[in-house]
Amino acid sequence: NAGVMQNPRHLVRRRGQEARLRCSPMKGHSHVYWYRQLPEEGLKFMVYLQKENIIDESGMPKERFSAEFPKEGPSILRIQQVVRGDSAAYFCASSPQGGLEDTQYFGPGTRLTVL
Amino acid sequence: RKEVEQDPGPFNVPEGATVAFNCTYSNSASQSFFWYRQDCRKEPKLLMSVYSSGNEDGRFTAQLNRASQYISLLIRDSKLSDSATYLCVVKSIKAAGNKLTFGGGTRVLVKP
Repeated sequence: NAGVMQNPRHLVRRRGQEARLRCSPMKGHSHVYWYRQLPEEGLKFMVYLQKENIIDESGMPKERFSAEFPKEGPSILRIQQVVRGDSAAYFCASSPQGGLEDTQYFGPGTRLTVL
Repeated sequence: RKEVEQDPGPFNVPEGATVAFNCTYSNSASQSFFWYRQDCRKEPKLLMSVYSSGNEDGRFTAQLNRASQYISLLIRDSKLSDSATYLCVVKSIKAAGNKLTFGGGTRVLVKP
């Protein structure tokens, strides 16, 4: 039973380019969460999605960032016109349901470096 | 004030010793509590949930004090492999889903 998968594991972009991060949840999980971890800091919630719906995007920056979880395929976190401050580890987590007692399982993360 | 606060450490612990550290949370509506472990540059992994009555899992004991709004983790008979960053995590009932709120982590270094 494969865990949460993220790709790429490492991504290098120059300022102004676009970054696309992909997350495939665990089998049977329909809830996906994205978190960002800046260097030497804790994880910060960004967005929570179910299939085809954004449930909570209260942690997403207002500009340049977007997320989707289509009916088919992985969840995508998209960062347009990247800046150096976007350099961070981006972790995706999934859970089977959205309940309070639900455990979130994390993927290995994508480390984005903006040159 | 941060919603979840932890002493960043590091806690330097001799192998075999006991170490304990706390985490405080500010949102009294918080309902679920967890300790995650994060090894350098890797994903967080669930160590244990924290229940109101306190709970133990092998060498690890977690306690919850709702009145004072803190959670603790105690590690007995520390092993070299316990060296990691321990993340205090809180989940609150929200109208729009159940995001996790992480503390900044407490770094533990177990030395021979």
